[in-house]
Amino acid sequence: DSGVTQTPKHLITATGQRVTLRCSPRSGDLSVYWYQQSLDQGLQFLIQYYNGEERAKGNILERFSAQQFPDLHSELNLSSLELGDSALYFCASSVSDTGTQYFGPGTRLLVL
Amino acid sequence: TQLLEQSPQFLSIQEGENLTVYCNSSSVFSSLQWYRQEPGEGPVLLVTVVTGGEVKKLKRLTFQFGDARKDSSLHITAAQPGDTGLYLCAGIKAAGNKLTFGGGTRVLVKP
Repeated sequence: DSGVTQTPKHLITATGQRVTLRCSPRSGDLSVYWYQQSLDQGLQFLIQYYNGEERAKGNILERFSAQQFPDLHSELNLSSLELGDSALYFCASSVSDTGTQYFGPGTRLLVL
Repeated sequence: TQLLEQSPQFLSIQEGENLTVYCNSSSVFSSLQWYRQEPGEGPVLLVTVVTGGEVKKLKRLTFQFGDARKDSSLHITAAQPGDTGLYLCAGIKAAGNKLTFGGGTRVLVKP
């Protein structure tokens, strides 16, 4: 158990819908990262927050957005969902903005 | 195109055999990490290599970082069924903490 929690574990929804994925970092960690893992693209970095501020951005679509709240938990919002958005979404956290990342168990999203 | 290319993509061996997984790039990384991921779980960090030419050992696992810090390898000696999983390499560039992952190598060790 990495100490990073993600909810929900599974999510099934329809195209065009919007979902919110939630992540609680390890106690004391200030930085949160979001990754997407799909069969064709592998594991890809989406976005990083550090103490509430966006720190780095990767291959995140405009339909996706994220934020980190004052209690340091983070949410990833996915809107206008497409079939290709079906994937595993992982959250990771680290103590600082350059420290070792610890991954959560992921949320499996299926868009039908 | 993956910035980090892993080979092979899949490896099936018998218990007791050795195996090597390769991670290659045309880019230089400030450090490189190896993770293992099991079904239904997130990747778990095995090792971080930082210095070109560095070799690290973790029980039966040996990790090497290339002299030019562009490639790495993972060698498992006398593999056991518990070594079964998806092995991922990930590189970190000089600026930031964003992980760039390779495509992964799925290892199956049969008893």
